[in-house]
Amino acid sequence: GAVVSQHPSRVICKSGTSVKIECRSLDFQATTMFWYRQFPKQSLMLMATSNEGSKATYEQGVEKDKFLINHASLTLSTLTVTSAHPEDSSFYICSARSGTGASGNTIYFGEGSWLTVV
Amino acid sequence: AQKITQTQPGMFVQEKEAVTLDCTYDTSDPSYGLFWYKQPSSGEMIFLIYQGSYDQQNATEGRYSLNFQKARKSANLVISASQLGDSAMYFCAMREGLPGNTPLVFGKGTRLSVIA
Repeated sequence: GAVVSQHPSRVICKSGTSVKIECRSLDFQATTMFWYRQFPKQSLMLMATSNEGSKATYEQGVEKDKFLINHASLTLSTLTVTSAHPEDSSFYICSARSGTGASGNTIYFGEGSWLTVV
Repeated sequence: AQKITQTQPGMFVQEKEAVTLDCTYDTSDPSYGLFWYKQPSSGEMIFLIYQGSYDQQNATEGRYSLNFQKARKSANLVISASQLGDSAMYFCAMREGLPGNTPLVFGKGTRLSVIA
């Protein structure tokens, strides 16, 4: 079945550095991918919608200059956390929809990435 | 107003028993989809079951079934014959509108603990 792969699964970085997280759809093309953030014991909150070949759409309150999203191909979207700070430590997870029409109801998630900024 | 409401922060169930996890939703769009995901401690989101707003029958997937009551705007998840491996967070989510490039909106989740 369709699979979304996310890398790295865990990353620790120093405050002030940048971290890139990749989200790949392995056996289907995804013109749109979604990036969520989840703080401990909380729900998933949508950060942005990543569109292949165009600019991402950010949710209110999410800094686009801090969370850079690049959807360079139909199977890859990247999220770069720039100048990371400890408060950016969180679980980041991407998702993509497989198929269109009625068959497009399945939404797959990546494995998620645990970011710790020290 | 919250789009997805899960009123049970935590639930306990005896192994082999059935358990119902509650979910109510709020939308004015006649077309929508309802999802349930399981999130173990590893963090991955595991798709369990889907119900479309126009589906006439309740969705079922193995031990999972969705009790869809459209008039009440509820989409409760029923897990039959609970297993220890079912212990996890469970999230109800909704997609508004037709299948397209619209994201899911999640509830706050319910932590299910299965007791031996």
